Amino acid sequence: GENVEQHPSTLSVQEGDSAVIKCTYSDSASNYFPWYKQELGKGPQLIIDIRSNVGEKKDQRIAVTLNKTAKHFSLHITETQPEDSAVYFCAASEWDDKIIFGKGTRLHILP
Amino acid sequence: ETGVTQSPTHLIKTRGQQVTLRCSSQSGHNTVSWYQQALGQGPQFIFQYYREEENGRGNFPPRFSGLQFPNYSSELNVNALELDDSALYLCASSLGASEAFFGQGTRLTVV
Repeated sequence: GENVEQHPSTLSVQEGDSAVIKCTYSDSASNYFPWYKQELGKGPQLIIDIRSNVGEKKDQRIAVTLNKTAKHFSLHITETQPEDSAVYFCAASEWDDKIIFGKGTRLHILP
Repeated sequence: ETGVTQSPTHLIKTRGQQVTLRCSSQSGHNTVSWYQQALGQGPQFIFQYYREEENGRGNFPPRFSGLQFPNYSSELNVNALELDDSALYLCASSLGASEAFFGQGTRLTVV
């Protein structure tokens, strides 16, 4: 079955700097890669996603890249702000199948 | 807000008891998935319901069961509760093969 590895587990960046979270997946059949942000006491919130026919996608300060050959995908957050502090999860799935999550990255934005 | 609501928000049960958790899916969504999130971990897929039929199951024992109703709301039932069942239980709804949106979760504590 699918396995998603996520690094780092904890990341601290100065406010205004960029943050990068990296993930790898094992199942070449996976074709949908969502990213979720989870704040304390809340459920995961979809922030951006990418499908396997696209190599890069950007939405304001957030961008995702996908390398299907290497089975790598990454989340980039630019100009970080205090409200970006949260736990971020990468995930992989076949389009209408179960979502397999990474273990999460706790992002701290330092003042 | 995603429009996915779960009840109750918190619950304490004794080992060996049974519990029912409820989820109302976002309007227009016909697919509901349930996930278990242990503290400090990513969500793990339990099962998915599509148009009232189970449509995929993760690595959970049969004492985890579910239902989906004609209005697409759903229940998760867990029998013979064990201490390790303590977790945040998340419901996600989608319209067939589309983005999944999560509720805020039910925090279950088994003592």
